[in-house]
Amino acid sequence: DVKVTQSSRYLVKRTGEKVFLECVQDMDHENMFWYRQDPGLGLRLIYFSYDVKMKEKGDIPEGYSVSREKKERFSLILESASTNQTSMYLCASSSELDRGPLRQYFGPGTRLTVT
Amino acid sequence: GNSVTQMEGPVTLSEEAFLTINCTYTATGYPSLFWYVQYPGEGLQLLLKATKADDKGSNKGFEATYRKETTSFHLEKGSVQVSDSAVYFCALSDRTSYGKLTFGQGTILTVHP
Repeated sequence: DVKVTQSSRYLVKRTGEKVFLECVQDMDHENMFWYRQDPGLGLRLIYFSYDVKMKEKGDIPEGYSVSREKKERFSLILESASTNQTSMYLCASSSELDRGPLRQYFGPGTRLTVT
Repeated sequence: GNSVTQMEGPVTLSEEAFLTINCTYTATGYPSLFWYVQYPGEGLQLLLKATKADDKGSNKGFEATYRKETTSFHLEKGSVQVSDSAVYFCALSDRTSYGKLTFGQGTILTVHP
């Protein structure tokens, strides 16, 4: 089974702090994604990566950056955390080799609170 | 751009009731359609999918049919169980750009005994 793990389930940070959220997948997937989940808004894509060191902006990249130095690891960085970044953050991965549509596999999520 | 609209929730049902969660979409071309489910405290799991018009996806008693003429992918189950209580997300992928997904807003389902 594909496993996507995220470094923390719960995180509390102060306004202005730099925050790192880590995601690791164990299936050699090419694609990795970061979403935030907010009630009534569903999941919104922040950034994704289709290869090591490659990244593309999603729908809501402002205030975030990402890093992918190794294929299995995709980091989301909040350069200066703000209260409006309090949310659930979900990481996902998918393989270009999957037959049919590219199914995404999700981690358990990190609930981040910025105070 | 692509968009997905789900029926407003939350939905509360008694065990063994019939479930429908409506989903409509806007997309260019011929997207693939998905239903994902999120159980309490967990990440999302793929529930079912369909890749072309008139395809029916099914899993765990849930079904959804890809209707191109009405741009819909409604989720149905004939008899829900308490264990089906979760958040359900409709999503599409337009098969470009590395399989990016566009999600609906999610529908919370609560099933009472």
